[in-house]
Amino acid sequence: NAGVTQTPKFQVLKTGQSMTLQCAQDMNHEYMSWYRQDPGMGLRLIHYSVGAGITDQGEVPNGYNVSRSTTEDFPLRLLSAAPSQTSVYFCASRKGTAYNEQFFGPGTRLTVL
Amino acid sequence: GENVEQHPSTLSVQEGDSAVIKCTYSDSASNYFPWYKQELGKRPQLIIDIRSNVGEKKDQRIAVTLNKTAKHFSLHITETQPEDSAVYFCAASPGGGGSNYKLTFGKGTLLTVNP
Repeated sequence: NAGVTQTPKFQVLKTGQSMTLQCAQDMNHEYMSWYRQDPGMGLRLIHYSVGAGITDQGEVPNGYNVSRSTTEDFPLRLLSAAPSQTSVYFCASRKGTAYNEQFFGPGTRLTVL
Repeated sequence: GENVEQHPSTLSVQEGDSAVIKCTYSDSASNYFPWYKQELGKRPQLIIDIRSNVGEKKDQRIAVTLNKTAKHFSLHITETQPEDSAVYFCAASPGGGGSNYKLTFGKGTLLTVNP
């Protein structure tokens, strides 16, 4: 099992550009989510999905879109990048209820100039 | 929504000493409390968790305690070693599935173990 994978590892964007952060898992997990990590701010939930075709907003959803067309993939789209979106982004997945372990991907470090 | 406060933000101990990190939560519906460790440049990884029907749980040098009445839980690391140096995050969740999936994280504690 590759677990949770993310691409790219690093990305530099200019203000106003759009891009998609990719996330995939091969553990047949129903639940997937995106977090951003900023210094001193912990891990903040952006969007999450409880299954294919179902997504919902987290704590900081503005400026981001998601979709879940398959169980395996959960891409995060930045519509018009802003410097405030400079952060490290983690995708995570878990099976079943919240009592199960949540597995994180390796992260994507995004810089918006 | 849930709010998780974590203290201290930084903690420095000598090798062999104990370390304690404390968290409080606001939502009385929360009943699942995991702790994650994140080494520098790496992803967060689960190290221990506790459910509300248990007051304490141990795994070798790591233990977690929960006081539901006071809405706080703590991570205890005994006989600290340099490899324990990392950022530790507490989290809380109502548990269950569906919309109760969401984990709310504290802001993290940077633990440094000095040799």
